[in-house]
Amino acid sequence: AQTVTQSQPEMSVQEAETVTLSCTYDTSESNYYLFWYKQPPSRQMILVIRQEAYKQQNATENRFSVNFQKAAKSFSLKISDSQLGDTAMYFCAFMRQGGSEKLVFGKGTKLTVNP
Amino acid sequence: DGGITQSPKYLFRKEGQNVTLSCEQNLNHDAMYWYRQDPGQGLRLIYYSQIVNDFQKGDIAEGYSVSREKKESFPLTVTSAQKNPTAFYLCASTDPGHFSGNTIYFGEGSWLTVV
Repeated sequence: AQTVTQSQPEMSVQEAETVTLSCTYDTSESNYYLFWYKQPPSRQMILVIRQEAYKQQNATENRFSVNFQKAAKSFSLKISDSQLGDTAMYFCAFMRQGGSEKLVFGKGTKLTVNP
Repeated sequence: DGGITQSPKYLFRKEGQNVTLSCEQNLNHDAMYWYRQDPGQGLRLIYYSQIVNDFQKGDIAEGYSVSREKKESFPLTVTSAQKNPTAFYLCASTDPGHFSGNTIYFGEGSWLTVV
């Protein structure tokens, strides 16, 4: 069974600085998707970034980028120029491609951006 | 606009009552999921369904039941057997068979409180 581990329960960063959130996963699959979701205090789950495992190029979305290391089964999220609105819980998630499998989430990292 | 609608947003349950949380999607997704989130915790899978008239237990299915009579609907019943149901409940859907990459869509969630 797939597992997702986020080893940092809480992190903090100063506004305008860069922070990296860690995520590792365990799977025997070759084709899958990885996601980072943001959950602000409103509890709405917001997609931050998505990575297809077959793509070697790391995904980027404006200030958000990932470092995807398939062999190491690592999927870290880098937030550049942190903003107060980035304060939220961040969840890493795994989904096998094309199969009848469930979504698997990590336990989350609570990120606080300080002014 | 396509999306997932959860209702009600807030629900109060008396001891011994069964209550049902609604989840409807118009995204034509095959897969739907129910997650429970306790304060400061990650998402734990209750039930999931990959196709109409079929569903599987997740990690914490005891005290819950679901049905999947229609593709667009996946209601969750919290039964009286669930001794600690106070939590935030999230419904999600996706299309696992979509080759070009897909996204997990979430509803806005439902708060359930035992009174």
